[in-house]
Amino acid sequence: AQSVTQLDSHVSVSEGTPVLLRCNYSSSYSPSLFWYVQHPNKGLQLLLKYTSAATLVKGINGFEAEFKKSETSFHLTKPSAHMSDAAEYFCVVSDRTGGFKTIFGAGTRLFVKA
Amino acid sequence: ETGVTQTPRHLVMGMTNKKSLKCEQHLGHNAMYWYKQSAKKPLELMFVYNFKEQTENNSVPSRFSPECPNSSHLFLHLHTLQPEDSALYLCASSQDEASATYNEQFFGPGTRLTVL
Repeated sequence: AQSVTQLDSHVSVSEGTPVLLRCNYSSSYSPSLFWYVQHPNKGLQLLLKYTSAATLVKGINGFEAEFKKSETSFHLTKPSAHMSDAAEYFCVVSDRTGGFKTIFGAGTRLFVKA
Repeated sequence: ETGVTQTPRHLVMGMTNKKSLKCEQHLGHNAMYWYKQSAKKPLELMFVYNFKEQTENNSVPSRFSPECPNSSHLFLHLHTLQPEDSALYLCASSQDEASATYNEQFFGPGTRLTVL
């Protein structure tokens, strides 16, 4: 069965410092993995996705994530946080287990301090 | 901002009211989704429509009734809701249900529903 675990419900960083949001998944098949961002009172927006091509995926706004099959991880990183990065981030796993299934993580709230 | 629009953005209703949420996508997609987002809970998939046919009902109470008249429009009809139904209701679309495995879903801004 699929599952996705976001290891931190909240992460707080200072502006200009690196960001790390952690995500672990389980999947019976070769999964696709996504990171979405949600700003207050907005819908979710895709940051990046992994679909079995390059394991290091670059997304919008300077974010990137690395698919590590051996660790079943897909952590999201950014070298330098900006105030506008403050938002909620969702890790998502999708595969064809029992049909077409997409599972959302519980979310990680990122706070950026000036 | 997005090819998926939702109306109204905010809705306050009593437990005996009947109201409807509307979603429209301008992306030429064939799959549409309703999600419920409650505080401190993961996003919950409610319904999936693929080429206007309902393919998933995730054990949603019958007081929520979806309608998909065509591939561009999705409604959620609400009747005799409970206070615990208060949440952000998000609509999304994708090319089709199968390709949602590797293609992104596009989300609307949501309807913030408060049930008194």
